[in-house]
Amino acid sequence: KAGVTQTPRYLIKTRGQQVTLSCSPISGHRSVSWYQQTPGQGLQFLFEYFSETQRNKGNFPGRFSGRQFSNSRSEMNVSTLELGDSALYLCASSPDRMNTEAFFGQGTRLTVV
Amino acid sequence: QKEVEQNSGPLSVPEGAIASLNCTYSDRGSQSFFWYRQYSGKSPELIMSIYSNGDKEDGRFTAQLNKASQYVSLLIRDSQPSDSATYLCAVNRGRGNQFYFGTGTSLTVIP
Repeated sequence: KAGVTQTPRYLIKTRGQQVTLSCSPISGHRSVSWYQQTPGQGLQFLFEYFSETQRNKGNFPGRFSGRQFSNSRSEMNVSTLELGDSALYLCASSPDRMNTEAFFGQGTRLTVV
Repeated sequence: QKEVEQNSGPLSVPEGAIASLNCTYSDRGSQSFFWYRQYSGKSPELIMSIYSNGDKEDGRFTAQLNKASQYVSLLIRDSQPSDSATYLCAVNRGRGNQFYFGTGTSLTVIP
């Protein structure tokens, strides 16, 4: 069974630009969550999508948004990039039931210059 | 108060010893608990999940949960140099699949 696939693996963007990251979950998983990981803050939850609906949302500004498609693939968008958005963005895939394990993709390393 | 707290370490143990990693959480209603291992430059990898009080063993790993004390631990028996990594404790309050992570404990196993 293929794991969670995130693209691209690396991105360099300029302040003020926007970026879109993609995540394909494990086949059969309909829950997709996004996390930001930085050395100072650790892993912080951005949002979770289930069956194309946002089920949970973390404490991030509105510049961070996401969506999920009917095939469970998810995208995350960050607009008006700031230097502080430089981080590893991780997507996690979970089975349909709640309160269960999450399996992470390899992440997208975003650098904002 | 942070949702999940871990001792950041670093924790060093000799090869073959038992490594003990600890975690506390603030929400008494939390329902599921997980340990992840993260090698430098890699993404977190699930090691163990535990849902009820007591011990759960899987190979060299044992997770322990005490909901009354809001405490989760991970024991690694017969530690190997390949176990050297950062170990992340994660907690789910039961509202979907939103996880709260500790900042991780860095473990080094010395050959």
